[in-house]
Amino acid sequence: DAGVIQSPRHEVTEMGQEVTLRCKPISGHNSLFWYRQTMMRGLELLIYFNNNVPIDDSGMPEDRFSAKMPNASFSTLKIQPSEPRDSAVYFCASSLAPSVNSPLHFGNGTRLTVT
Amino acid sequence: DAKTTQPPSMDCAEGRAANLPCNHSTISGNEYVYWYRQIHSQGPQYIIHGLKNNETNEMASLIITEDRKSSTLILPHATLRDTAVYYCIVRASGNTPLVFGKGTRLSVIA
Repeated sequence: DAGVIQSPRHEVTEMGQEVTLRCKPISGHNSLFWYRQTMMRGLELLIYFNNNVPIDDSGMPEDRFSAKMPNASFSTLKIQPSEPRDSAVYFCASSLAPSVNSPLHFGNGTRLTVT
Repeated sequence: DAKTTQPPSMDCAEGRAANLPCNHSTISGNEYVYWYRQIHSQGPQYIIHGLKNNETNEMASLIITEDRKSSTLILPHATLRDTAVYYCIVRASGNTPLVFGKGTRLSVIA
């Protein structure tokens, strides 16, 4: 199993540009989570999906952020327009809901730098 | 908000057991205790979880007190590669996300 795959690993962009982060969950997993990590705020949940349906997006900072899951094997997190304060590491994770015995498996993240 | 309390940092000598405590005094009857760790520049990694019984796997042991208000993660023979931030999390069901606190930064020293 290749695990959760995120791309790109690093992204450097200028303020005002659109940024799209991608995630491929583990095959067969039906829950997908997007987290953001900064030194100041630690790991924060942005949004999560069950069976491709967004369940809770209350962690999305503002309307500039959007996430989609068009099918069970792909999700995107888009920031438009990007701002320097969006600089962070963004993690995607997947699990097999609803079992509590299914832990979250995380990707290695996308490090976003907005200049 | 995280429902757990952990010391911000700990040191452990290489080869010795690392015992990482966690307080979760408001845990509900249906909530499990999960432990994850995050090695620098990587995503969080699952270690172990339990409800009320002690658990052991190839990575660690989890000891949960009888009243379930606290737990201890034990790494029996710590190595330098175990240096990481360790997170203790309570979670009610597989449909819900993990809420991370600040964790314990464990430094294993040669």
